[in-house]
Amino acid sequence: GAGVSQSPRYKVAKRGQDVALRCDPISGHVSLFWYQQALGQGPEFLTYFQNEAQLDKSGLPSDRFFAERPEGSVSTLKIQRTQQEDSAVYLCASSSSLGISYEQYFGPGTRLTVT
Amino acid sequence: AQRVTQPEKLLSVFKGAPVELKCNYSYSGSPELFWYVQYSRQRLQLLLRHISRESIKGFTADLNKGETSFHLKKPFAQEEDSAMYYCALRTDKLIFGTGTRLQVFP
Repeated sequence: GAGVSQSPRYKVAKRGQDVALRCDPISGHVSLFWYQQALGQGPEFLTYFQNEAQLDKSGLPSDRFFAERPEGSVSTLKIQRTQQEDSAVYLCASSSSLGISYEQYFGPGTRLTVT
Repeated sequence: AQRVTQPEKLLSVFKGAPVELKCNYSYSGSPELFWYVQYSRQRLQLLLRHISRESIKGFTADLNKGETSFHLKKPFAQEEDSAMYYCALRTDKLIFGTGTRLQVFP
């Protein structure tokens, strides 16, 4: 079966532009996570959804970051007025378990470059 | 503070040599620790978790609460072990270390 997919795989944005990153989790997975991975760093937690409910958004770095999962499946991470420090790989992961599962299935990531 | 430290950015060994990738953690609760691996051009994936005490691809990791460590070990490295390795701690979220790149030379 298909794994987690993300689109686009690469995105170049001019500073100040808005971007939207999409995540298609594994079918039936109730939990969905977003991470930000800066160059040379490990993934850092951004936000967590259980079905359509956003249960934890403590990792979102500013109010320019917004995530949604309206039907409990596909999720979109939106970044408004992008800044250079937003340049990173954005990873999505899903899990069949409720809560913060250790066994998360990761997508390939979206590499965002802000110029 | 909750933190995972991987002190080595790069570890280079020759095929057949023993490997130890270091991981230390800081957490006041009962720790749950994991190792994730990312092979070249592949996705991040779970390698092993301390609870299961299993050996995956010849790798093992023992949780040492006294030293707050969870080092990953393999007695004889193979070229196909070359990858990025991330140690992770589960609290109310997964906290990853900065990763260690393992290079195994022929």
